[in-house]
Amino acid sequence: GNSVTQMEGPVTLSEEAFLTINCTYTATGYPSLFWYVQYPGEGLQLLLKATKADDKGSNKGFEATYRKETTSFHLEKGSVQVSDSAVYFCALSDSGGSNYKLTFGKGTLLTVNP
Amino acid sequence: SQTIHQWPATLVQPVGSPLSLECTVEGTSNPNLYWYRQAAGRGLQLLFYSVGIGQISSEVPQNLSASRPQDRQFILSSKKLLLSDSGFYLCAWSAGTAALPQHFGDGTRLSIL
Repeated sequence: GNSVTQMEGPVTLSEEAFLTINCTYTATGYPSLFWYVQYPGEGLQLLLKATKADDKGSNKGFEATYRKETTSFHLEKGSVQVSDSAVYFCALSDSGGSNYKLTFGKGTLLTVNP
Repeated sequence: SQTIHQWPATLVQPVGSPLSLECTVEGTSNPNLYWYRQAAGRGLQLLFYSVGIGQISSEVPQNLSASRPQDRQFILSSKKLLLSDSGFYLCAWSAGTAALPQHFGDGTRLSIL
């Protein structure tokens, strides 16, 4: 079956530090990959996505590259801000079947201190 | 543009009471619909999904049920709540291809006393 493994954290950084949150996956087909962000008390928001190998998703200074050879989709940001403090979820959607269920990682709590 | 509405935002219920959470989507037709639960400090658990009116698939055995009486309406219910039903419930929709993301509502925080 499909699975997503991401570093569980918590991750604590100072403002302007470099961020990496690792995500690796196992899938039977050719999945699409996503990063979602959840701010305290809110639902999930799509941060970025990539639908095929070597695609790079980017948004709000965050980037992630779909690496099929290493089955990875690591999230990076060059300079984090206090407002980036949130829980980040890596997820995949398999192309098989018609329900397009998402398989989520367990989430990584990021805290950015001023 | 598409929007998803979920209510209520918070709910406090006694053990053994019934539950009804509602989710509606606007601006799209025939969406895939999903209910998730997020326990405190933990990841997301898919509870139910629906690919069409009256079509419900359950992911885990539990005390809850779901229904889809209309194309863009998804309801999560229980006849008798348990303490273990406490959590943050999220509804989501997708346009029905793997390449398109799911879009989430703002969630309902359910506390069982």
